[in-house]
Amino acid sequence: DIQMTQSPSSLSASVGDRVIITCRASQSVSSYLNWYQQKPGKAPKLLIYAASSLQSGVPSRFSGSGSGTDFTLTISTLQPEDFATYYCQQSYSTLMYTFGQGTKLEIK
Amino acid sequence: QVTLKESGPVLVKPTETLTLTCTVSGFSLSNTRMAVSWIRQPPGKALEWLAHIYSNDGKFYSTSLKSRLTISGDTSKSQVVLTMTNMDPVDTATYYCARMVRGVRSYYFDYWGQGILVTVSS
Repeated sequence: DIQMTQSPSSLSASVGDRVIITCRASQSVSSYLNWYQQKPGKAPKLLIYAASSLQSGVPSRFSGSGSGTDFTLTISTLQPEDFATYYCQQSYSTLMYTFGQGTKLEIK
Repeated sequence: QVTLKESGPVLVKPTETLTLTCTVSGFSLSNTRMAVSWIRQPPGKALEWLAHIYSNDGKFYSTSLKSRLTISGDTSKSQVVLTMTNMDPVDTATYYCARMVRGVRSYYFDYWGQGILVTVSS
């Protein structure tokens, strides 16, 4: 199975900060990498698909980059509603889709 | 408007079989670009993909849970059913169904149900 490792596991930041979350795959997943945001008690929400494509309706302060094994999710200017947990997910291996362990973004 | 909704028991006993139903609207289960997936999340833990089913009845299962899972679809009812046998307290989790899109450069979950918390306890 392809393992997905996110860093950091938790992060404290302030409104207006630029935040970068990284995701590393144990083997190449090409561009088959997606990012989700989850708030407490809610279902995950798709932010970025295919490594860098912004899902419709998602603010442009969110962006994704990378290919192969290393990926990043960037929030350019942190807003109060962005405090949540973020997950990466690979869909390259159709035998087993896997998520990262999550990055909890908290208010400093 | 695309919606998915999970239904089923919220409490099951150890060794019992769990049966969950996902009822979808706003898209057809016969759409070849889409599948319906089940994903779970134990309290305070990460997401775990379980299974998905395509319109051509193609079925894929988590390698670690394959022996316990069965997924099926009923296009006429717009429903996807997941059964998981031999439930254990470690299977306590919120179970989500989600629509998976087969995009050009990735497959991704673009719509999710609200989730159903299933507790395994005697």
